[in-house]
Amino acid sequence: EAQVTQNPRYLITVTGKKLTVTCSQNMNHEYMSWYRQDPGLGLRQIYYSMNVEVTDKGDVPEGYKVSRKEKRNFPLILESPSPNQTSLYFCASSLSPSTRNYGYTFGSGTRLTVV
Amino acid sequence: QKEVEQNSGPLSVPEGAIASLNCTYSDRGSQSFFWYRQYSGKSPELIMFIYSNGDKEDGRFTAQLNKASQYVSLLIRDSQPSDSATYLCAVNPPGRRGFKTIFGAGTRLFVKA
Repeated sequence: EAQVTQNPRYLITVTGKKLTVTCSQNMNHEYMSWYRQDPGLGLRQIYYSMNVEVTDKGDVPEGYKVSRKEKRNFPLILESPSPNQTSLYFCASSLSPSTRNYGYTFGSGTRLTVV
Repeated sequence: QKEVEQNSGPLSVPEGAIASLNCTYSDRGSQSFFWYRQYSGKSPELIMFIYSNGDKEDGRFTAQLNKASQYVSLLIRDSQPSDSATYLCAVNPPGRRGFKTIFGAGTRLFVKA
């Protein structure tokens, strides 16, 4: 089954404790992206990756890191989480990022709470 | 001005009616437009994409694009209670390094049985 797999689904952590949210896709998509979703603000892009070793900042990159060492994986790293990073996070992938965008396939989401 | 604007709703329609969802965008050079459906507690799911002015139909869904007026709409015919969800409009603006998609905050649709 074609899918984007995120883990964990739920995470409660404490301020300052480094964490990683994993994302993997099995569709051979070149383009992958991380979004956070907050009430009233919609989906906001954190980082995206056009291909292996090619990443760039989205609209809200502060406090986050990413890496793309393999085509299928795009982990999101929070080096020192803070309470304002409490949110619902989605990983997404897409075919043909440089020509037409045929739309995203989203992962199931990770609900992160930082206390 | 937000880059992609939607009425947050809720929009309430009776079962069997046509639901009309609207979205405006600010960047006139935008080229790709999308509608996603998101059920409560779930991830967004792509319903339709449209690139050219005019209508695009897929089953009960019709996307309409008017680039001159900078709006895109989604019509849902014969609305069903299962269509009750939040609908997200998304736009790809030009001139950005790489490939960015900007989402609206979504319109909540409620279909009454």
